[in-house]
Amino acid sequence: SQQGEEDPQALSIQEGENATMNCSYKTSINNLQWYRQNSGRGLVHLILIRSNEREKHSGRLRVTLDTSKKSSSLLITASRAADTASYFCATTDNYGQNFVFGPGTRLSVLP
Amino acid sequence: EAGVAQSPRYKIIEKRQSVAFWCNPISGHATLYWYQQILGQGPKLLIQFQNNGVVDDSQLPKDRFSAERLKGVDSTLKIQPAKLEDSAVYLCASSLDREGSPLHFGNGTRLTVT
Repeated sequence: SQQGEEDPQALSIQEGENATMNCSYKTSINNLQWYRQNSGRGLVHLILIRSNEREKHSGRLRVTLDTSKKSSSLLITASRAADTASYFCATTDNYGQNFVFGPGTRLSVLP
Repeated sequence: EAGVAQSPRYKIIEKRQSVAFWCNPISGHATLYWYQQILGQGPKLLIQFQNNGVVDDSQLPKDRFSAERLKGVDSTLKIQPAKLEDSAVYLCASSLDREGSPLHFGNGTRLTVT
């Protein structure tokens, strides 16, 4: 069964704009991870945030986690055409196991 | 480091035929996963191995799907007989046996059942 649910399902922005994607989940988690998938390829890990963290940065990526609302957001700043991909959140249970992926957000960055 | 290798890259079969996929994980990764990804959806876990033991196969349709991990390294996933609804990308992933370790994915095998 799906744990995470991303929204929006699809997002289209211009190059240079910021893109924000949200993920909601249902049960308690150990950590939450974001992955990117380019068309026809496997998923690539972007960033991990633990349940006791509220915010994390990595380059142009900023992830927040609100465990009281069971939600996370991924912000990509100054987007580029190369950021065009599907983005998935994945949660793990309290033992750090059982990766469960949401349906993803399809991001299109227009040049 | 070399990534997760999967083969074949594409496979087209008729329904009721059988098919097998192969995965070679990153060296040293104890945990191996098989996911099914239907077009437009997120990956769905089929089976998780820890070394050569099964950790979770609760979502594996065991009447037609089987998987093994020989000597805790390579793994094969088999479908017999295939159904139309098995058309999907089958992704293999591996990770270190350490809490918080990310998954490393192969590029998948795209299966089309006609």
